[in-house]
Amino acid sequence: DAGVTQSPTHLIKTRGQHVTLRCSPISGHKSVSWYQQVLGQGPQFIFQYYEKEERGRGNFPDRFSARQFPNYSSELNVNALLLGDSALYLCASSQSPGGNTEAFFGQGTRLTVV
Amino acid sequence: EDQVTQSPEALRLQEGESSSLNCSYTVSGLRGLFWYRQDPGKGPEFLFTLYSAGEEKEKERLKATLTKKESFLHITAPKPEDSATYLCAVGSGNTGKLIFGQGTTLQVKP
Repeated sequence: DAGVTQSPTHLIKTRGQHVTLRCSPISGHKSVSWYQQVLGQGPQFIFQYYEKEERGRGNFPDRFSARQFPNYSSELNVNALLLGDSALYLCASSQSPGGNTEAFFGQGTRLTVV
Repeated sequence: EDQVTQSPEALRLQEGESSSLNCSYTVSGLRGLFWYRQDPGKGPEFLFTLYSAGEEKEKERLKATLTKKESFLHITAPKPEDSATYLCAVGSGNTGKLIFGQGTTLQVKP
């Protein structure tokens, strides 16, 4: 079975530009979460979507937005990119949205802002 | 405020030298404690879930245990291929938000 797939794997953008990252969850999983991981730190929670509705939002500015589609895939959008947005962006899928549910991660998208 | 702290930040072992990694947590209403392995440039790989104090899980050379305030990841007779960053995370509440520690980077030398 395919795991969580993310695209693209690497991306270089210029400050002020916009970026869209994509994620396809494990088949049968209805919950998708997004995390930002800066080098040397643990992942930081950005969003969770379940059944196309936002279930949780982390402490990130409004430049960050996301959505989930009817097939449960998801997009993370970041506007007005800053140098500090350079990070590994991780998508995780789980069967249900609760805090007791195992989450499985994709390989991530490495975003570099120059 | 919910918080997860891992120690040590880095650990160097000789092949076969057993040790333990620590994860201390403060969370209101623990729903689950999760251990992940992360190789450089890749996403975290799920290892274990622990739900209540006293619970233990094992997989090959790894064993995870849980108390009311901390979790340990015991590595028995490690091999070089066990070299990676090990992440601990807690889940609480009704959302899937995971709070991660900063990780322990393990290097096992042959």
